[in-house]
Amino acid sequence: EDQVTQSPEALRLQEGESSSLNCSYTVSGLRGLFWYRQDPGKGPEFLFTLYSAGEEKEKERLKATLTKKESFLHITAPKPEDSATYLCAVPPTDSWGKFQFGAGTQVVVTP
Amino acid sequence: GAVVSQHPSWVICKSGTSVKIECRSLDFQATTMFWYRQFPKQSLMLMATSNEGSKATYEQGVEKDKFLINHASLTLSTLTVTSAHPEDSSFYICSASFWRGKETQYFGPGTRLLVL
Repeated sequence: EDQVTQSPEALRLQEGESSSLNCSYTVSGLRGLFWYRQDPGKGPEFLFTLYSAGEEKEKERLKATLTKKESFLHITAPKPEDSATYLCAVPPTDSWGKFQFGAGTQVVVTP
Repeated sequence: GAVVSQHPSWVICKSGTSVKIECRSLDFQATTMFWYRQFPKQSLMLMATSNEGSKATYEQGVEKDKFLINHASLTLSTLTVTSAHPEDSSFYICSASFWRGKETQYFGPGTRLLVL
């Protein structure tokens, strides 16, 4: 069964304190791994898609990397506005569309 | 990026009434849209997949007669919560499938439903 697991569940950082979030998956034949950011009371905002091991993508203080078993979202020198829940998702092996979401990592960045 | 809107953003209704939520893809056509439900501090739970011009596909445990989905055009899908009860109170989010070589899902801002 396809599974997506995110860790840690929650992360509290001081402003400027870099850290990484993990998303591990068991989908065979990965066709893409998606990262989203969700603020309280809002829908998820698309960040990145990674398609193959070794791929990296960056956006401001965020950098996503992908291996054959997991993806990392690195937050470099975070600011309070980076506080959010970060979700990763993968489409299942047998179809597009029905993304399998991880439970998310709630990140709080304090000044 | 692709933009998805939802309306209304907030709705309060009395128990027993029906509520319709609209999901629109504003700058692209979406043959497939998805409806999710999210409880506080939990991740997204897929309710159904909506395909333009055909019946929606519901996930196991989701009552199709309670959550009516219509995908009337390539830019509009609606979710109607029929005979709403307090336990239907939740945050409902839609997403639309955007294809440019490969697929990405873009999400709407969500609709908060409170049933009194």
